[in-house]
Amino acid sequence: ETGVTQSPTHLIKTRGQQVTLRCSSQSGHNTVSWYQQALGQGPQFIFQYYREEENGRGNFPPRFSGLQFPNYSSELNVNALELDDSALYLCASSLLGTSGSSYNEQFFGPGTRLTVL
Amino acid sequence: LAKTTQPISMDSYEGQEVNITCSHNNIATNDYITWYQQFPSQGPRFIIQGYKTKVTNEVASLFIPADRKSSTLSLPRVSLSDTAVYYCLVVVYGQNFVFGPGTRLSVLP
Repeated sequence: ETGVTQSPTHLIKTRGQQVTLRCSSQSGHNTVSWYQQALGQGPQFIFQYYREEENGRGNFPPRFSGLQFPNYSSELNVNALELDDSALYLCASSLLGTSGSSYNEQFFGPGTRLTVL
Repeated sequence: LAKTTQPISMDSYEGQEVNITCSHNNIATNDYITWYQQFPSQGPRFIIQGYKTKVTNEVASLFIPADRKSSTLSLPRVSLSDTAVYYCLVVVYGQNFVFGPGTRLSVLP
C-alpha cells in the first residue's frame, strides 16, 4: 500500500457529461501528478500540481483541468466527456526536490476506472 | 517527439535472471530514470530508480550507461509472482513524464 487513495473506484458517464476524480496524497508529499492509462497501454502524463499550481502538462486538451488543495489532495476534472476518455485514471504523489529536479519516485494510487458510454 | 521504447513482451522461467532494456533518447539532464511494475487493475509500483552507472536494491538492479540514452532493469531469479508489466519512466525535455510502452513479462514454471 502506498498511502495514496483515489475515489471513486469506478465511474460510468455518458458522452458530453463532466466528471471529477479525487486523490489524497501520501503523507509528506507536496506534488500530485495525474495520468491516463488506456487499456493495454502505458500511462500518459496529464499534468502535475505543486503547491497548488500546475507544474507541467502533457498533451491533453484544456477540458482536462485540475486542482490541488492546501493539504496536497487533488482533483482531476474532465468536461465534455468523449468516448476515448474511457480509461484508468491514476494519481501519483511525490516529493519535489529542492534542487529543482523532479524526484521521479512517484507513489501511485489504485486508480479510478472511468467508462464513457 | 522523443520516443521511449521497450520490448513488448518477454518470457522467462522461474529462477532465471531477466533483463529489460528501455531506450530513451532525449532524457532531461537532471532527472532520474525510474522503473515500475504493474499488475492488472492496480497502479504502478516503484521498483528502482537511478541517475547513472549501477543501482541495486533488494529486488532489482538498474544499469545506466554514461550517455543515459538507455537503461536496463535486471531482475534476479524471477518467480511466478513477477509476472507483470514493467515500465520505465523518464523526464523528457518539453514533455514532462514519459512512460515507456511497457514490457509484459511472463514467468513460466
